[in-house]
Amino acid sequence: SHVLTQPPSVSVAPGQTARISCGGDIIGSPSVHWYRQRPGQAPVVVISSYNDRASGIPERFSASYSGNTATLTISGVEAGDEADYYCQVWNTRGAVDHPVFGGGTKLTVL
Amino acid sequence: EAQLVESGGGLIQPGQSLRLSCEVSGFIISDNYMSWVRQAPGKGLEWVSILYSGGTTFYADSVRGRFAVSRDNSKNTLYLQMENLKVEDTATYYCASHYCTGGSCYLDDWGQGTLVSVSS
Repeated sequence: SHVLTQPPSVSVAPGQTARISCGGDIIGSPSVHWYRQRPGQAPVVVISSYNDRASGIPERFSASYSGNTATLTISGVEAGDEADYYCQVWNTRGAVDHPVFGGGTKLTVL
Repeated sequence: EAQLVESGGGLIQPGQSLRLSCEVSGFIISDNYMSWVRQAPGKGLEWVSILYSGGTTFYADSVRGRFAVSRDNSKNTLYLQMENLKVEDTATYYCASHYCTGGSCYLDDWGQGTLVSVSS
């Protein structure tokens, strides 16, 4: 099964660029998906299949992939972007395919 | 518009059982992969179980043998039967549907979650 590692926290000032990494064991996975979870709310997908933004997600959100690391980039960070962010891959290595989540990254807007 | 509503959570003692429900509207659950995902207080997301459209089920190691996922097609409702609950099962439990494309799947619709607290 995949093991995904994210930094526990990332802090940026408003207007700056936030980069949240998801690394470890991604090679061979067809896609990396990203979720945002605001306090007290359920997660929502923001980027699917590497760099497809979900409906309503601004162009400030993008994703990239290099080597064994996927990165969620948020440009021009706003106060409303403060949330927990999770990466997820679809594990196809076991008996039955299933989702695997990274540990999550808390984005703080200073 | 898809809507998923979980229920059945509550305070329960270790060793007891509980059944969670996820009532779905807006799509047919038997046509979709459905998962349960949980989140312990202050912790990250942990996938718990999946029910494939064809009926295959699979579980995380942490719950295998204690939890069972099922569905009632006539009620368009997903269930999670939890047995022999442990303190470490304390979490908010979400049900979610999958969208699959290009050989990968992600969870596109989620419920609001139901809190399960296991404590003596």
